[in-house]
Amino acid sequence: DGGITQSPKYLFRKEGQNVTLSCEQNLNHDAMYWYRQDPGQGLRLIYYSQIVNDFQKGDIAEGYSVSREKKESFPLTVTSAQKNPTAFYLCASSPGTNSYQPQHFGDGTRLSIL
Amino acid sequence: QKEVEQNSGPLSVPEGAIASLNCTYSDRVSQSFFWYRQYSGKSPELIMSIYSNGDKEDGRFTAQLNKASQYVSLLIRDSQPSDSATYLCAVNRVTGGGNKLTFGTGTQLKVEL
Repeated sequence: DGGITQSPKYLFRKEGQNVTLSCEQNLNHDAMYWYRQDPGQGLRLIYYSQIVNDFQKGDIAEGYSVSREKKESFPLTVTSAQKNPTAFYLCASSPGTNSYQPQHFGDGTRLSIL
Repeated sequence: QKEVEQNSGPLSVPEGAIASLNCTYSDRVSQSFFWYRQYSGKSPELIMSIYSNGDKEDGRFTAQLNKASQYVSLLIRDSQPSDSATYLCAVNRVTGGGNKLTFGTGTQLKVEL
């Protein structure tokens, strides 16, 4: 089954700890994205990648890091510098960067502070 | 002014009625517009995309776009309780770093029996 897989579904972070959220897609999509969603707010773009080994900061990149070593994978690390990490994290992908190509989402990871 | 604005709702409609959801955007050069449905606790699901002025119909859903007024809407005919969700409007923006989507905060729709 083609799709976007995010893991884990729930994640808890201790103070001072870095945590990594996984995102894998088998849709052969070139572009991948990470968003954060807080209650009552829309999705805010953290990082995005249009091709392997290249990625750009989104609107709220501070305290986060990413890598894109493989086309299928785009992991997001929430570092200890992110002081308010509790949120719903969504990974998305699209076939390319053409503006007419919609993004499709994984099921998300909920991150909470212990 | 927010880049993409939606009324947060909740918008309540009786079962079988037409639900009308509205979205305005600020960037005049935006080319593509998307509606996503998000059930509580779930991820967004694409339900409609529209690129040209006018109406686009898909089953019970109709998207309407007016670029001159910078306005996009979603009509849901014969609303069902299963349509109760938050509807997110997303607008493409072209930047030096490529194409990105800006999302509104969503309108909560409640379809009542």
